[in-house]
Amino acid sequence: DGGITQSPKYLFRKEGQNVTLSCEQNLNHDAMYWYRQDPGQGLRLIYYSQIVNDFQKGDIAEGYSVSREKKESFPLTVTSAQKNPTAFYLCASSRAGGGYTFGSGTRLTVV
Amino acid sequence: AQSVTQPDIHITVSEGASLELRCNYSYGATPYLFWYVQSPGQGLQLLLKYFSGDTLVQGIKGFEAEFKRSQSSFNLRKPSVHWSDAAEYFCAVASMMDSSYKLIFGSGTRLLVRP
Repeated sequence: DGGITQSPKYLFRKEGQNVTLSCEQNLNHDAMYWYRQDPGQGLRLIYYSQIVNDFQKGDIAEGYSVSREKKESFPLTVTSAQKNPTAFYLCASSRAGGGYTFGSGTRLTVV
Repeated sequence: AQSVTQPDIHITVSEGASLELRCNYSYGATPYLFWYVQSPGQGLQLLLKYFSGDTLVQGIKGFEAEFKRSQSSFNLRKPSVHWSDAAEYFCAVASMMDSSYKLIFGSGTRLLVRP
């Protein structure tokens, strides 16, 4: 079955560490997105990519980085510059004119 | 700037009762509108979407939504709620880009269902 796989489901980060969240899709979608979810704030866009080797900052890109070397993959790195990284991170993909398909999320906690 | 407002943070209904979740949007052109549902610790599932045409949109799980341009609203309805509908619901508007769009979400409404 086609879908989006996010890993790991839970991730713990020490202060000052960079961590990378994985997102893989086999839907042949061109566009991919990373959202951050905090209680009571809905989802906020971090980065998005409409095509391989191209990506743009969303509304809250500071402290994050991405790459899009393959159509299927859009990993997100949470850097030490992100001061409040504890959140639920959701990856999504879409084709032109269609709705988003979301992964099941990664919960990141700073310890 | 585009925005979405969901004025109700929590709503509690009895099982079998009808449901209406409110959504208001701000967008300059004809909007593309969506409703998503999220169970705890899970991703979001698309319930329905409005791109154009008939303003009453049917979705999955017995949900429907009505687009009212004059009120800038896209309220979600269900005639009879089931206990399994308890979840968080998000309304979203699409902000168009070159070949795709980005979704701007409301802050969500948590639905609780009384037995």
